[in-house]
This record gives sequence, structure tokens and C-alpha cells, in this order.
Amino acid sequence: AQSVAQPEDQVNVAEGNPLTVKCTYSVSGNPYLFWYVQYPNRGLQFLLKYITGDNLVKGSYGFEAEFNKSQTSFHLKKPSALVSDSALYFCAVRVLLYNFNKFYFGSGTKLNVKP
Amino acid sequence: DTEVTQTPKHLVMGMTNKKSLKCEQHMGHRAMYWYKQKAKKPPELMFVYSYEKLSINESVPSRFSPECPNSSLLNLHLHALQPEDSALYLCASSQGIQGAGQPQHFGDGTRLSIL
Repeated sequence: AQSVAQPEDQVNVAEGNPLTVKCTYSVSGNPYLFWYVQYPNRGLQFLLKYITGDNLVKGSYGFEAEFNKSQTSFHLKKPSALVSDSALYFCAVRVLLYNFNKFYFGSGTKLNVKP
Repeated sequence: DTEVTQTPKHLVMGMTNKKSLKCEQHMGHRAMYWYKQKAKKPPELMFVYSYEKLSINESVPSRFSPECPNSSLLNLHLHALQPEDSALYLCASSQGIQGAGQPQHFGDGTRLSIL
């Protein structure tokens, strides 16, 4: 079965400190991995994706993610957190089902960045 | 600013009412999606349209009726909804349904409340 897990419901970090939001996946075949961010009363915004190639992927707003095949992980990182990064973060894996690529979302992690 | 526009932003309706949600994108995308999202939960896929034809219906109750009048527009017609249908309804689009590396672009959603 295809699945994505975000083991932390909430992550708290001080402004200026590095942040990590964890994601692990379980898929058959090649994983196509995505990170989205959702601010209050907004839709999901695409941050970055891993398809193939370099394991370190850079995305919007200074975020990056590291793909680790052996650990089946795709953790989201940022070297220096901002208060404005506080939001709900979703990891997703895209899986080919018949003729359709379906997104499987993780349960979400709420990031709180404190001044 | 989001490239997928949803109207209205908020909708309150009684269980006997008929209303419609609207979604529009002008990115030339040929795939469009409806999702339902409960508070602090990941989005749940409802419908997928590809080239203006319904491709996927995730066993959604018939009180939700999707329509794709053209490649830029997607509607969701609502009738005889239940209180548990109260949620954020998100529209999304992507270039196609088969490109594994294609992110989905989300609108900001319609916050629906059923009285």
C-alpha cells in the first residue's frame, strides 16, 4: 500500500534556528515526492518536489528537502526559520494508479516559529 | 497570488438548499480536481477531470455533482447536503493527470458551512 507518514503533529522552533519537518514514505516503484505549505484560510502552496537526480532539492522561500532512499525519507529543512514560516506543512507522494497519478498526503505537521 | 480562483470564499447553506462552487484556472492545465479538507487534516480527493471528462470519482455521494463546462472552469453543484459536509473545498489543477512530476496548483478554497 502507498502511504506517507509525518510523525510529528507539531514542530516548535525559535526564529533564526534551523528547522526540520519529517516525512517518510512507502511506495512500490519510484517515489515522486512533494512538499506543500498551507497558511490559515488558504489553499495548499507547492514548495518543492523530488523526481530524480540530486538528493537535495531546493524550493521556494528558502526551503530544501533531502531525499534518502535507504531511509525512505524526504525531510523538509530550512537553515534559519522565520516567524512567517509558521503554517501547516504536508508531504505528499504521487503514485501511478492505472492511468492516473494520485497524490497521497501525509497527515500534516504544524510548524510554530516563535520570535 | 493563487493562479486557481475559487468562488465564493465562504458559503453557508441549509440542508435543503442548492448551491454551486466555482473554480477557474488560466494556466492551460488539462486536469482539474476537487478536494474536501476538514480542519487540520490533509485534503481528500473527490473528483478528477481530464480534458473536460470525468476520470475519477472517489465514491463521492450523489449530493455532490461536478461539472466541467470547459477547460478553464470546474463547478461543484451541491444539493441536500448534511452537516458533516461542512469543510473547506479545494480546487486544483495540473498540466495533465499522468505526469508524475507535475505539481497540483491549488485555489484558496470555499469554506462551506451546512446549517
